Amino acid sequence: AQRVTQPEKLLSVFKGAPVELKCNYSYSGSPELFWYVQYSRQRLQLLLRHISRESIKGFTADLNKGETSFHLKKPFAQEEDSAMYYCALMNAGGTSYGKLTFGQGTILTVHP
Amino acid sequence: EAGVAQSPRYKIIEKRQSVAFWCNPISGHATLYWYQQILGQGPKLLIQFQNNGVVDDSQLPKDRFSAERLKGVDSTLKIQPAKLEDSAVYLCASSFRGVNYGYTFGSGTRLTVV
Repeated sequence: AQRVTQPEKLLSVFKGAPVELKCNYSYSGSPELFWYVQYSRQRLQLLLRHISRESIKGFTADLNKGETSFHLKKPFAQEEDSAMYYCALMNAGGTSYGKLTFGQGTILTVHP
Repeated sequence: EAGVAQSPRYKIIEKRQSVAFWCNPISGHATLYWYQQILGQGPKLLIQFQNNGVVDDSQLPKDRFSAERLKGVDSTLKIQPAKLEDSAVYLCASSFRGVNYGYTFGSGTRLTVV
């Protein structure tokens, strides 16, 4: 069964410090991974997806198949990055293509 | 483009009552999902539709939950009778199947069962 683990429930950093939100996954096939973010009082929204290798709002995430990880990183955190972050794995085939399995989320707080 | 619309935003009911949630996906999105997000947990898929057919409802508690997507557009999720543990945010999302862009979530309906 597929599983996504975010080991940190809470993460606090100061503005300008580097931040890394950890995500590990378990999946038998070739994974498709995403990071979603939920700012206060806003809907859940896509931050980035590993397949596009993009950087959004200064965040990047690299898929490491050997370590089955997809950690989210940003070199210099900003106060506006404070939010709940979810790592998610997508079923890449079969009838449930598109189903997302989410981790439990990490609340990031960036202090001034 | 308009986003995924959900209503109501909030609902408080007593246990054993029934409740229904409505979702209108993004126009043209064939796939629609209902997720349940219990406080402190990540969203969990309840049911996935492809057009008006059910693709995956393996985690839907079918003794009390039901969902339909008539005409392959709007969808309704119903709980009858509700239990205290059904208190959660119910999220609807839609995607364009075959395009790996993730998908778009609605604002959700926050259900409190007392």
